[in-house]
Amino acid sequence: NAGVTQTPKFQVLKTGQSMTLQCAQDMNHNSMYWYRQDPGMGLRLIYYSASEGTTDKGEVPNGYNVSRLNKREFSLRLESAAPSQTSVYFCASAWGASNQPQHFGDGTRLSIL
Amino acid sequence: RKEVEQDPGPFNVPEGATVAFNCTYSNSASQSFFWYRQDCRKEPKLLMSVYSSGNEDGRFTAQLNRASQYISLLIRDSKLSDSATYLCVVNYGSQGGKLIFGQGTELSVKP
Repeated sequence: NAGVTQTPKFQVLKTGQSMTLQCAQDMNHNSMYWYRQDPGMGLRLIYYSASEGTTDKGEVPNGYNVSRLNKREFSLRLESAAPSQTSVYFCASAWGASNQPQHFGDGTRLSIL
Repeated sequence: RKEVEQDPGPFNVPEGATVAFNCTYSNSASQSFFWYRQDCRKEPKLLMSVYSSGNEDGRFTAQLNRASQYISLLIRDSKLSDSATYLCVVNYGSQGGKLIFGQGTELSVKP
């Protein structure tokens, strides 16, 4: 009964380092999403993948890249981390139709020093 | 204008109170609406979908007014465990499964 699994749960990086956040879902969902959540800003969409093999930019894509590795997995990469990317990152998945809700992983808390 | 706007919080209410949250959205093409609940530093969880006719789930009632582009959530007989942030969520009009999240309204239920 895992749902959406994110790794790691916590990470501290130095400015300029790179890292990849991993996300996997076991609900056979078509669509997957990456959000960041900052105090006072709410959830903001970084990138999404409507289906396996496709990815699209969301509201705040700069500084990030994504890979939809297969139907289950959707990774988020920071090539050169900046302090402005300190945030809580959530991955979500959904069937993909507009009337379907999204299901979230429990988040990755990332600090960039 | 923000795409999804919610009542500013926090709402501090005693146990047993009835509390209502309001939300407005700007995209008239939006078709799907949800309320999510988020506990401190945890992931958002679906509370309920919002249907055109309005819907109820136990102590929770959601209403949709498409003409005014307005959504509401009513919580009756508040419990301590209802303390959380409530997020109003609207789909991104014609762009399929993309959702826009409001900033959330914090609710604190006191004994």
